[in-house]
Amino acid sequence: AQSVAQPEDQVNVAEGNPLTVKCTYSVSGNPYLFWYVQYPNRGLQFLLKYITGDNLVKGSYGFEAEFNKSQTSFHLKKPSALVSDSALYFCAVRDEGGSYIPTFGRGTSLIVHP
Amino acid sequence: DGGITQSPKYLFRKEGQNVTLSCEQNLNHDAMYWYRQDPGQGLRLIYYSQIVNDFQKGDIAEGYSVSREKKESFPLTVTSAQKNPTAFYLCASTPLQGLNEQFFGPGTRLTVL
Repeated sequence: AQSVAQPEDQVNVAEGNPLTVKCTYSVSGNPYLFWYVQYPNRGLQFLLKYITGDNLVKGSYGFEAEFNKSQTSFHLKKPSALVSDSALYFCAVRDEGGSYIPTFGRGTSLIVHP
Repeated sequence: DGGITQSPKYLFRKEGQNVTLSCEQNLNHDAMYWYRQDPGQGLRLIYYSQIVNDFQKGDIAEGYSVSREKKESFPLTVTSAQKNPTAFYLCASTPLQGLNEQFFGPGTRLTVL
């Protein structure tokens, strides 16, 4: 079985400060991990994914994520937050040996204060 | 431009009525999905389809029905049996080959009056 947890419902950060949105996962085999962003009343947009290779994955809009196998985590990061980064962020996981259907976390609302 | 379209953007339904939400993609993707989104609950899978004329129930299929007569189209019907249909509905698609992310439509917000 596959599962994903986003332990924070909301993250607040000041503009210009670094941001981290946390994600932990559980799978039987190797994980395939994804981050998406959703702006109000819009669909989800893909940010980045980890399949294999380097543990630090770079994605759209200056975001990156670090895969940590020992801690089963895939935290989303950005060195300097923008007010326009305020949105809902979803982590998703697929198990290498399982279904092609991903499991989504409950989402984390990121609020960047001016 | 390639992408996924959903219509209508907003939909109002009276209790006891069936309504159909449209989802069309021109990405030539094999798999299509319907999700329901409620505040604080993330995305819950309603139905998915890998191929034309075949589809499977997701986690919350009761009160919903779908069809997949064409590769490009995957309409969702919210029936009167769905007791709490007010939600934001998202359609997505993905190729089956490779380890690909999902592409999402803009969503339909359904409100029961």
